[in-house]
Amino acid sequence: EAGVAQSPRYKIIEKRQSVAFWCNPISGHATLYWYQQILGQGPKLLIQFQNNGVVDDSQLPKDRFSAERLKGVDSTLKIQPAKLEDSAVYLCASSLPGLNYGYTFGSGTRLTVV
Amino acid sequence: AQTVTQSQPEMSVQEAETVTLSCTYDTSESDYYLFWYKQPPSRQMILVIRQEAYKQQNATENRFSVNFQKAAKSFSLKISDSQLGDAAMYFCAYRSAFAAGGFKTIFGAGTRLFVKA
Repeated sequence: EAGVAQSPRYKIIEKRQSVAFWCNPISGHATLYWYQQILGQGPKLLIQFQNNGVVDDSQLPKDRFSAERLKGVDSTLKIQPAKLEDSAVYLCASSLPGLNYGYTFGSGTRLTVV
Repeated sequence: AQTVTQSQPEMSVQEAETVTLSCTYDTSESDYYLFWYKQPPSRQMILVIRQEAYKQQNATENRFSVNFQKAAKSFSLKISDSQLGDAAMYFCAYRSAFAAGGFKTIFGAGTRLFVKA
Protein backbone atom coordinates (compact mmCIF):
# COMPACT_ATOMS: atom_id res chain seq x y z
CA GLU A 1 0.00 0.00 0.00
CA ALA A 2 1.11 3.56 -0.60
CA GLY A 3 2.48 5.35 2.45
CA VAL A 4 1.67 8.73 3.93
CA ALA A 5 2.69 11.40 1.44
CA GLN A 6 3.97 14.79 2.56
CA SER A 7 5.21 17.81 0.69
CA PRO A 8 7.37 19.75 0.46
CA ARG A 9 10.29 17.85 1.94
CA TYR A 10 12.22 21.00 2.80
CA LYS A 11 11.22 24.63 3.15
CA ILE A 12 13.22 27.72 4.07
CA ILE A 13 11.37 30.95 4.78
CA GLU A 14 12.02 34.24 6.50
CA LYS A 15 10.35 35.06 9.78
CA ARG A 16 6.92 36.63 9.44
CA GLN A 17 6.33 34.85 6.14
CA SER A 18 3.66 32.20 5.74
CA VAL A 19 4.07 28.54 4.80
CA ALA A 20 1.81 25.55 4.16
CA PHE A 21 2.42 21.83 4.38
CA TRP A 22 0.37 19.13 2.70
CA CYS A 23 -0.37 15.57 3.77
CA ASN A 24 -2.14 12.69 2.05
CA PRO A 25 -2.76 9.82 4.47
CA ILE A 26 -3.09 6.15 3.69
CA SER A 27 -6.38 5.36 2.03
CA GLY A 28 -8.95 4.27 4.60
CA HIS A 29 -7.16 5.79 7.58
CA ALA A 30 -9.79 7.92 9.27
CA THR A 31 -7.46 9.46 11.83
CA LEU A 32 -4.79 11.97 10.85
CA TYR A 33 -2.23 13.68 13.07
CA TRP A 34 0.19 16.55 12.70
CA TYR A 35 3.25 16.47 14.93
CA GLN A 36 6.02 19.02 15.43
CA GLN A 37 9.49 17.60 16.06
CA ILE A 38 12.09 20.10 17.19
CA LEU A 39 15.69 18.97 16.75
CA GLY A 40 16.73 16.61 19.54
CA GLN A 41 13.22 16.15 20.89
CA GLY A 42 10.40 13.70 20.46
CA PRO A 43 7.39 14.58 18.32
CA LYS A 44 4.74 16.77 19.91
CA LEU A 45 1.12 16.53 18.80
CA LEU A 46 -0.26 19.68 17.21
CA ILE A 47 -3.64 18.49 15.99
CA GLN A 48 -5.62 15.29 15.53
CA PHE A 49 -8.44 14.79 13.03
CA GLN A 50 -11.05 12.04 12.94
CA ASN A 51 -12.36 12.12 9.37
CA ASN A 52 -12.78 15.87 8.82
CA GLY A 53 -13.47 16.77 12.45
CA VAL A 54 -10.92 18.01 14.99
CA VAL A 55 -10.47 15.68 17.97
CA ASP A 56 -7.64 17.48 19.76
CA ASP A 57 -5.96 20.79 18.97
CA SER A 58 -5.06 21.75 22.52
CA GLN A 59 -1.36 22.22 21.71
CA LEU A 60 -1.82 24.05 18.43
CA PRO A 61 -0.70 27.72 18.67
CA LYS A 62 -3.92 28.98 17.17
CA ASP A 63 -2.75 32.57 16.82
CA ARG A 64 -0.42 31.48 14.03
CA PHE A 65 -1.11 27.84 13.16
CA SER A 66 -4.15 26.50 11.37
CA ALA A 67 -5.04 23.14 9.89
CA GLU A 68 -7.84 21.68 7.89
CA ARG A 69 -8.83 18.33 6.50
CA LEU A 70 -11.34 18.82 3.77
CA LYS A 71 -13.49 15.83 2.83
CA GLY A 72 -11.72 13.75 5.46
CA VAL A 73 -8.75 12.89 3.25
CA ASP A 74 -5.92 15.35 2.53
CA SER A 75 -4.84 17.81 5.15
CA THR A 76 -3.01 21.14 5.12
CA LEU A 77 -1.13 22.73 8.00
CA LYS A 78 -0.39 26.45 7.75
CA ILE A 79 1.80 28.81 9.73
CA GLN A 80 1.24 32.55 9.43
CA PRO A 81 3.33 34.44 10.42
CA ALA A 82 6.28 32.15 11.08
CA LYS A 83 8.67 32.67 13.97
CA LEU A 84 12.24 31.46 14.39
CA GLU A 85 11.12 28.91 17.00
CA ASP A 86 8.87 27.24 14.42
CA SER A 87 11.96 25.70 12.83
CA ALA A 88 11.31 21.98 13.12
CA VAL A 89 10.26 18.86 11.23
CA TYR A 90 6.52 18.64 10.73
CA LEU A 91 5.35 15.05 10.64
CA CYS A 92 2.02 13.81 9.40
CA ALA A 93 0.72 10.42 10.50
CA SER A 94 -2.41 8.40 9.97
CA SER A 95 -3.92 5.33 11.57
CA LEU A 96 -6.79 2.90 11.39
CA PRO A 97 -9.47 2.99 14.04
CA GLY A 98 -8.45 0.89 17.01
CA LEU A 99 -6.05 1.71 19.76
CA ASN A 100 -3.69 -1.16 19.14
CA TYR A 101 -2.78 0.19 15.74
CA GLY A 102 0.35 2.23 15.61
CA TYR A 103 0.75 5.21 13.37
CA THR A 104 2.09 5.30 9.83
CA PHE A 105 4.22 8.39 9.40
CA GLY A 106 5.23 10.39 6.38
CA SER A 107 8.80 11.52 5.82
CA GLY A 108 8.07 14.95 7.20
CA THR A 109 8.76 18.50 6.11
CA ARG A 110 11.85 20.17 7.50
CA LEU A 111 11.09 23.87 8.02
CA THR A 112 13.84 26.39 8.59
CA VAL A 113 12.83 29.91 9.56
CA VAL A 114 15.61 32.47 9.14
CA ALA B 1 -0.96 14.07 32.51
CA GLN B 2 1.05 11.20 31.15
CA THR B 3 4.80 11.48 30.60
CA VAL B 4 7.35 9.29 28.86
CA THR B 5 11.01 9.34 29.86
CA GLN B 6 13.95 7.92 27.96
CA SER B 7 16.98 8.40 30.17
CA GLN B 8 19.62 7.36 27.62
CA PRO B 9 20.23 10.08 25.00
CA GLU B 10 22.70 7.81 23.18
CA MET B 11 23.64 4.14 23.17
CA SER B 12 26.08 2.17 21.11
CA VAL B 13 26.36 -1.55 20.37
CA GLN B 14 28.72 -3.78 18.47
CA GLU B 15 27.28 -5.44 15.40
CA ALA B 16 25.75 -8.86 16.23
CA GLU B 17 25.50 -8.06 19.93
CA THR B 18 22.47 -7.23 22.07
CA VAL B 19 21.42 -3.83 23.36
CA THR B 20 18.59 -2.68 25.63
CA LEU B 21 16.98 0.74 25.44
CA SER B 22 15.17 2.00 28.53
CA CYS B 23 11.82 3.73 28.83
CA THR B 24 9.71 4.65 31.82
CA TYR B 25 6.34 6.32 31.86
CA ASP B 26 3.97 7.87 34.31
CA THR B 27 0.21 7.44 34.20
CA SER B 28 -2.77 6.97 36.45
CA GLU B 29 -4.66 5.07 33.77
CA SER B 30 -5.16 1.33 34.02
CA ASP B 31 -5.35 0.62 30.31
CA TYR B 32 -3.08 1.93 27.59
CA TYR B 33 -0.79 0.92 24.78
CA LEU B 34 2.96 1.25 24.48
CA PHE B 35 5.02 1.44 21.31
CA TRP B 36 8.58 1.68 20.12
CA TYR B 37 9.23 3.62 16.92
CA LYS B 38 12.45 3.82 14.92
CA GLN B 39 13.43 7.00 13.07
CA PRO B 40 16.36 6.58 10.65
CA PRO B 41 18.10 9.57 9.04
CA SER B 42 15.43 9.55 6.33
CA ARG B 43 13.12 10.90 9.09
CA GLN B 44 10.28 8.49 8.45
CA MET B 45 9.23 6.95 11.73
CA ILE B 46 8.57 3.23 11.59
CA LEU B 47 6.63 1.19 14.13
CA VAL B 48 8.91 -1.45 15.64
CA ILE B 49 6.79 -3.14 18.27
CA ARG B 50 3.65 -2.61 20.36
CA GLN B 51 2.44 -3.79 23.76
CA GLU B 52 -1.04 -3.75 25.25
CA ALA B 53 -0.99 -2.96 28.96
CA TYR B 54 -3.51 -5.64 29.90
CA LYS B 55 -1.39 -8.37 28.33
CA GLN B 56 1.25 -9.76 30.63
CA GLN B 57 3.17 -11.52 27.89
CA ASN B 58 6.00 -9.46 26.47
CA ALA B 59 5.71 -8.64 22.77
CA THR B 60 8.29 -9.97 20.31
CA GLU B 61 8.92 -9.10 16.67
CA ASN B 62 11.83 -11.05 15.20
CA ARG B 63 15.01 -9.57 16.73
CA PHE B 64 13.07 -7.01 18.76
CA SER B 65 11.46 -7.77 22.11
CA VAL B 66 10.24 -5.78 25.07
CA ASN B 67 10.42 -6.15 28.82
CA PHE B 68 7.15 -4.71 30.09
CA GLN B 69 6.95 -4.18 33.84
CA LYS B 70 3.55 -2.63 34.50
CA ALA B 71 3.97 -2.10 38.22
CA ALA B 72 7.29 -0.38 37.69
CA LYS B 73 5.93 1.51 34.65
CA SER B 74 8.89 0.37 32.62
CA PHE B 75 8.98 -0.63 28.95
CA SER B 76 12.44 -1.45 27.63
CA LEU B 77 13.35 -2.54 24.10
CA LYS B 78 15.87 -5.30 23.48
CA ILE B 79 17.52 -5.60 20.08
CA SER B 80 19.27 -8.91 19.52
CA ASP B 81 21.89 -9.63 16.87
CA SER B 82 22.23 -5.91 16.13
CA GLN B 83 22.69 -4.93 12.51
CA LEU B 84 24.09 -1.77 10.92
CA GLY B 85 20.60 -0.95 9.69
CA ASP B 86 19.38 -0.72 13.28
CA ALA B 87 21.24 2.56 13.73
CA ALA B 88 18.58 5.23 14.25
CA MET B 89 16.69 7.27 16.84
CA TYR B 90 14.32 5.13 18.88
CA PHE B 91 11.24 6.65 20.46
CA CYS B 92 9.14 5.14 23.19
CA ALA B 93 5.47 6.14 23.02
CA TYR B 94 2.40 5.91 25.25
CA ARG B 95 -1.15 5.88 23.92
CA SER B 96 -4.11 6.46 26.17
CA ALA B 97 -6.99 4.00 25.89
CA PHE B 98 -9.53 6.55 27.05
CA ALA B 99 -11.64 8.85 24.91
CA ALA B 100 -11.22 11.77 27.30
CA GLY B 101 -7.58 11.93 26.25
CA GLY B 102 -8.44 11.66 22.57
CA PHE B 103 -6.47 8.42 22.49
CA LYS B 104 -3.46 10.55 21.73
CA THR B 105 0.10 9.29 21.65
CA ILE B 106 2.88 10.89 23.70
CA PHE B 107 6.50 10.36 22.71
CA GLY B 108 9.68 10.32 24.75
CA ALA B 109 12.71 12.40 23.79
CA GLY B 110 14.38 9.49 22.03
CA THR B 111 17.57 7.42 22.25
CA ARG B 112 20.09 7.55 19.45
CA LEU B 113 21.52 4.10 18.75
CA PHE B 114 24.90 3.71 17.08
CA VAL B 115 25.93 0.32 15.70
CA LYS B 116 29.66 -0.35 15.32
CA ALA B 117 30.91 -2.65 12.58
